[in-house]
Amino acid sequence: AQKVTQAQTEISVVEKEDVTLDCVYETRDTTYYLFWYKQPPSGELVFLIRRNSFDEQNEISGRYSWNFQKSTSSFNFTITASQVVDSAVYFCALSDGYNFNKFYFGSGTKLNVKP
Amino acid sequence: DGGITQSPKYLFRKEGQNVTLSCEQNLNHDAMYWYRQDPGQGLRLIYYSQIVNDFQKGDIAEGYSVSREKKESFPLTVTSAQKNPTAFYLCASSIVPHNEQFFGPGTRLTVL
Repeated sequence: AQKVTQAQTEISVVEKEDVTLDCVYETRDTTYYLFWYKQPPSGELVFLIRRNSFDEQNEISGRYSWNFQKSTSSFNFTITASQVVDSAVYFCALSDGYNFNKFYFGSGTKLNVKP
Repeated sequence: DGGITQSPKYLFRKEGQNVTLSCEQNLNHDAMYWYRQDPGQGLRLIYYSQIVNDFQKGDIAEGYSVSREKKESFPLTVTSAQKNPTAFYLCASSIVPHNEQFFGPGTRLTVL
């Protein structure tokens, strides 16, 4: 069965620190997609990145970077030089390999960035 | 502006009442979804629809119903059969199933 684990419930950092949010997934599918979403206090989820299971290249987008390692079933997210505006809940999600309509979300990591 | 709208933002209902949550999108997406979020938890899929006049149950469909009569609209009815309906409800859409889903601002439902 598919499962996403975000073991870090809450993380607090001081502005300008780097922070890594962990995501570990379980699936028996060979084709699947992984996602990261940000949920600010307003509640609306904001899409950050999508990765398919055949693309293990790391990705960098500004201060954000993602490390996908199939060998450890992990898809970790790093924010470099964190800012107060990064404060939010971050969710990792995994698509079902047979029914891509089904997403499995982790329980989220709340990131607090203090000035 | 293209996007997803949900109304109302806050909704209160008495026990035993059915209530309908609205979700409209103007992104021309075929697929639409309803999720439920409880405090400190991730999102759980209630129903989804890949095309007009077709919808499928998700993981927690009991006590909920949906319709998809128009491409842009996917309302969710929370029935009195839902034992614990107080939650944050999020609607989403995607152009194709394996693509990213775009979310609306959500409706917070409280049962009094």
